[in-house]
Amino acid sequence: DQQVKQNSPSLSVQEGRISILNCDYTNSMFDYFLWYKKYPAEGPTFLISISSIKDKNEDGRFTVFLNKSAKHLSLHIVPSQPGDSAVYFCAASAWNQGGKLIFGQGTELSVKP
Amino acid sequence: NAGVTQTPKFQVLKTGQSMTLQCAQDMNHEYMSWYRQDPGMGLRLIHYSVGAGITDQGEVPNGYNVSRSTTEDFPLRLLSAAPSQTSVYFCASSYWQGTGELFFGEGSRLTVL
Repeated sequence: DQQVKQNSPSLSVQEGRISILNCDYTNSMFDYFLWYKKYPAEGPTFLISISSIKDKNEDGRFTVFLNKSAKHLSLHIVPSQPGDSAVYFCAASAWNQGGKLIFGQGTELSVKP
Repeated sequence: NAGVTQTPKFQVLKTGQSMTLQCAQDMNHEYMSWYRQDPGMGLRLIHYSVGAGITDQGEVPNGYNVSRSTTEDFPLRLLSAAPSQTSVYFCASSYWQGTGELFFGEGSRLTVL
C-alpha cells in the first residue's frame, strides 16, 4: 500500500519554463512533507519542506504547495535550469508514527537547454 | 566533515551468502535509517533507529537485521541473501526522528546472483 505516490515517472521541460512536480498521499496523519533531489550515483539531498499548518513554502526558485483537503502537494521550480535535471522524491512523516519518513516513487525531471 | 559514510559501495553476492552493509555518521545524529531504492518503487524504509539500543521496522524489513550499539554506527545485515535483495541501499541520519532534513550516504549497490 503506497502511502505516498508520484504518478508521473518523468517530466521534460524547456529551460526557463516552470517545472511542476506532483505528489499525492493517503495517510491523513502525515503532518510534515519534504522534497528531495537525487543525481545519479549520489544520495538524495534535502530540497525544501512544509508543515501541515502551512499551505505554501518558498525558497528561491523552489516553492512547495500543500492542499490538505486533496491530500496533494506540488513542487514548482521557476525558472527551470539544466542543472535541475535529477530525480525528485516527495516524502512525508507523521508525528505519531515514530517520525518514519515515507517516500514516493520519484519523478525524473529533464530540463532541456 | 564526512557526513554519512557507507561501505562497501559495490558488492556482488551469491544466493544464500550473508553480508553486512556498514553505515557511520559523524554528526552526532540520534536518528538513523536504511532505505532501498528500486526502479518504480522509490525509496522504501527497511529499518530505523531513534537512538543507541533502539531499532524498529520500516516498510520492508523482511530479510534484514539491524542493531545500534553506538550513536555513530548502524549496520544492516543480510543473513541469507536472495535475488530480490538486489538493490541500491541508502543509509540516512538526522538530528531527530526522521523529520526535518535527512542526510543520506552515497549508497551501496548490491547484486545477488
